[in-house]
Amino acid sequence: DGGITQSPKYLFRKEGQNVTLSCEQNLNHDAMYWYRQDPGQGLRLIYYSQIVNDFQKGDIAEGYSVSREKKESFPLTVTSAQKNPTAFYLCASTDGLGQGYYGYTFGSGTRLTVV
Amino acid sequence: EDQVTQSPEALRLQEGESSSLNCSYTVSGLRGLFWYRQDPGKGPEFLFTLYSAGEEKEKERLKATLTKKESFLHITAPKPEDSATYLCAVRFQKLVFGTGTRLLVSP
Repeated sequence: DGGITQSPKYLFRKEGQNVTLSCEQNLNHDAMYWYRQDPGQGLRLIYYSQIVNDFQKGDIAEGYSVSREKKESFPLTVTSAQKNPTAFYLCASTDGLGQGYYGYTFGSGTRLTVV
Repeated sequence: EDQVTQSPEALRLQEGESSSLNCSYTVSGLRGLFWYRQDPGKGPEFLFTLYSAGEEKEKERLKATLTKKESFLHITAPKPEDSATYLCAVRFQKLVFGTGTRLLVSP
């Protein structure tokens, strides 16, 4: 079955440490997105990519970095510069520059906690 | 600025008690309105897409409607398994999400 796989499901980060969240899709979608979800707030866009080797900052990109070397993969690195990284992170994808009928297809999320 | 507002923030219903959730938006070239269901600790799951005012979509106990400024998600005779957070998203250049309505249906 086609879908988006996020790993790990739970991740713990120590102060000053960089961590990378994985996102892989086998839907042949062009566009991929990273969102952050905090209690009481809507999904906020971190980064997005509409084509391989190209990506754009979203609304809250500071302290995060991404790469898009393959169509299927869009990993997110949470750097030590992100001062409040504890949140639920969601990866999503869509086809044809966001024209998909279903909006976005989401992964199951990664919960990141600072320890 | 394009904005999406959902109300109420939380809603508690008894099983079988019908109600509606609201999603209002400021328009700057609407290109689709989407409803998702999200269970705790999981990613949002697609429910409906609406493209034009007057459009309606149904799935089991849920019906989504769209006007020029807002959408409603009607829940008829809900069951406890309908308990979840319901998210509305509007596509302008990208998807803009509301903060969601947490629905709890008690037996």
